[in-house]
Amino acid sequence: GAGVSQTPSNKVTEKGKYVELRCDPISGHTALYWYRQSLGQGPEFLIYFQGTGAADDSGLPNDRFFAVRPEGSVSTLKIQRTERGDSAVYLCASSSLEGGGPRDTQYFGPGTRLTVL
Amino acid sequence: DAKTTQPPSMDCAEGRAANLPCNHSTISGNEYVYWYRQIHSQGPQYIIHGLKNNETNEMASLIITEDRKSSTLILPHATLRDTAVYYCIVRGNSGGSNYKLTFGKGTLLTVNP
Repeated sequence: GAGVSQTPSNKVTEKGKYVELRCDPISGHTALYWYRQSLGQGPEFLIYFQGTGAADDSGLPNDRFFAVRPEGSVSTLKIQRTERGDSAVYLCASSSLEGGGPRDTQYFGPGTRLTVL
Repeated sequence: DAKTTQPPSMDCAEGRAANLPCNHSTISGNEYVYWYRQIHSQGPQYIIHGLKNNETNEMASLIITEDRKSSTLILPHATLRDTAVYYCIVRGNSGGSNYKLTFGKGTLLTVNP
């Protein structure tokens, strides 16, 4: 079946601009996660959705970052007034179990590479 | 979640077993050991997880020491396509923020022809 998809695969923008990154989770997966990966580092947690609500947004670096999942499926990560330090690969993952646990396997998309000039 | 320590890089000859170590000396009783890998320009891929017993699936085997302070991921017959960064992650079973995966820098495994 189809896996997690993310669009666009690459996004180049200028400092100060607004960007939206989209994630289509695996059909039926109720849990959705966003991570950010800087060059040479492992992915870092940003936000976790249970259904439509953000259950944990403690990883969002500041109030320029916001994510939504209005219908409990597709999610959009929004970044306002982008800065050069926002350049990274933004990864989305989904899983079928809410709340984690040993049976909760997260399936990742290919990521969106964001470059802020 | 407990911290993990992995060597930054390893090499393995194609067709041989790749044994990737991970130290997690502060692991607590209800925390599981997970392994993910990330092939260049792709998202992380789940490999295997375990609590205290050894585990095996179609991709790999996971050997956890009796004291649970370390583990080894074994790829029995490494291929060139197994070249990737391998992440060892300790994760709680329930409660708290056990849904998060906390990645370190992982081990870059290079499989050579």
